[in-house]
Amino acid sequence: DTAVSQTPKYLVTQMGNDKSIKCEQNLGHDTMYWYKQDSKKFLKIMFSYNNKELIINETVPNRFSPKSPDKAHLNLHINSLELGDSAVYFCASSQDWGSNTEAFFGQGTRLTVV
Amino acid sequence: AQSVAQPEDQVNVAEGNPLTVKCTYSVSGNPYLFWYVQYPNRGLQFLLKYITGDNLVKGSYGFEAEFNKSQTSFHLKKPSALVSDSALYFCAVRDIPSGSARQLTFGSGTQLTVLP
Repeated sequence: DTAVSQTPKYLVTQMGNDKSIKCEQNLGHDTMYWYKQDSKKFLKIMFSYNNKELIINETVPNRFSPKSPDKAHLNLHINSLELGDSAVYFCASSQDWGSNTEAFFGQGTRLTVV
Repeated sequence: AQSVAQPEDQVNVAEGNPLTVKCTYSVSGNPYLFWYVQYPNRGLQFLLKYITGDNLVKGSYGFEAEFNKSQTSFHLKKPSALVSDSALYFCAVRDIPSGSARQLTFGSGTQLTVLP
C-alpha cells in the first residue's frame, strides 16, 4: 500500500525533450508538493498545491509546470529539458496546509538529461 | 525568513555508541521542527517532530530529539547506534506564523555512518 507513489522511478532523456512525472497519494491529504534534490542532496521546494490550488511557486523556470487534476494527484511537466534539470524529484503530501503536519514523501524520480 | 543549519556533513559513530546529529534553526516566530531520514535510493521518511510542550521528543526507531529554544537547536539523538541507522538525515523547520511561508525548509543533510 504505497502512500505516495511517483512514476517513473527513472527517466533518461535528451536535451530539448518534454517529459512528465506523475504523482498520486492515497492518504486523503489536502496538500501536495514537489521538491528537487540536487547532486549534493540539497532539497528545495518547487511547488505546493492545497486542494488543487497553487499556493507555493518558488523561483522555478517557466519550463516547469505543475498540474493538479484532483486532490490526490500532482503531476509535473517539464518542457525543453536542460542538462541542469538532472536531479531527483520528490513528490510529497501532508494532511493540510497547517504548519504542524509532517509531509509524506514518494520514492523519487531520478531524471537524467543527456 | 526561516533557515536550518546542519553543521556536519558526515558523522561517524561505532555501533552501540550514542549518536548525535546536530541541527540549528533560525525563524522569526516560533518553530515547528522535524527530522527526516533518507535511505539510499529512497524517499524521505518522517522520524519525529516538535510542535509544543515537552522539549524532549521521541520518534521512530528509538530516535529522540531535544528542542532548546535558547540555543535554537534541535539535535537528533539515539542512545545506542545500529549499523542499520546509517543513512542521510535531514532537519527541517516551519516558521509560525509566517504569512504564506509555510513550506518546509530543509537543512543540507548529515550522512550518518555507523561502523560495526
